[in-house]
Amino acid sequence: DAKTTQPNSMESNEEEPVHLPCNHSTISGTDYIHWYRQLPSQGPEYVIHGLTSNVNNRMASLAIAEDRKSSTLILHRATLRDAAVYYCILRDNYGGSQGNLIFGKGTKLSVKP
Amino acid sequence: DAGVIQSPRHEVTEMGQEVTLRCKPISGHDYLFWYRQTMMRGLELLIYFNNNVPIDDSGMPEDRFSAKMPNASFSTLKIQPSEPRDSAVYFCASSSTPGQYYNEQFFGPGTRLTVL
Repeated sequence: DAKTTQPNSMESNEEEPVHLPCNHSTISGTDYIHWYRQLPSQGPEYVIHGLTSNVNNRMASLAIAEDRKSSTLILHRATLRDAAVYYCILRDNYGGSQGNLIFGKGTKLSVKP
Repeated sequence: DAGVIQSPRHEVTEMGQEVTLRCKPISGHDYLFWYRQTMMRGLELLIYFNNNVPIDDSGMPEDRFSAKMPNASFSTLKIQPSEPRDSAVYFCASSSTPGQYYNEQFFGPGTRLTVL
């Protein structure tokens, strides 16, 4: 699986939008971009994923660059509960293969009241 | 569904003792994963099963570690003998076969292991 690069940490104010960047310059054509997050003292949880087009769900939005070499996870209004480590992961889903999740160090997001 | 269930949640043992961690995946899921998380190495995949069969155990640190999945609803990760460097949080996760819907991995709450 291709490698991703994320900032070690970011800070945000409550109720403001947060943009979490991820660089993946060696992404292959069949790699999906996945985001998971890990709240304190919990296991990771799925946030969102995408291939080429921008994606929205109830938790967040994923903006994917046209060349797919970078992406941004957008939390539209950060809450204190969003304080977590956010992992950007590439995984090959081509043909339904079960690629493994390879976690990097992620970005630790702090949210200030 | 109750989600992925792990037991025990906390385990404290002495070096040299056998440790068994248990996991019950989400019903209907046919993939099961064991991860280990430490401050130094982050979250690492140890082994994963598909339909109860081990597919990739290349992440298992050494022969002291073994994992089994005797049926679709139960898996164990055993460390024998345990060493202080095995202290970590061990997560179990499960997912379904990729198909029409995204096969996200669902993680359990983890077992915090401390080896003295």
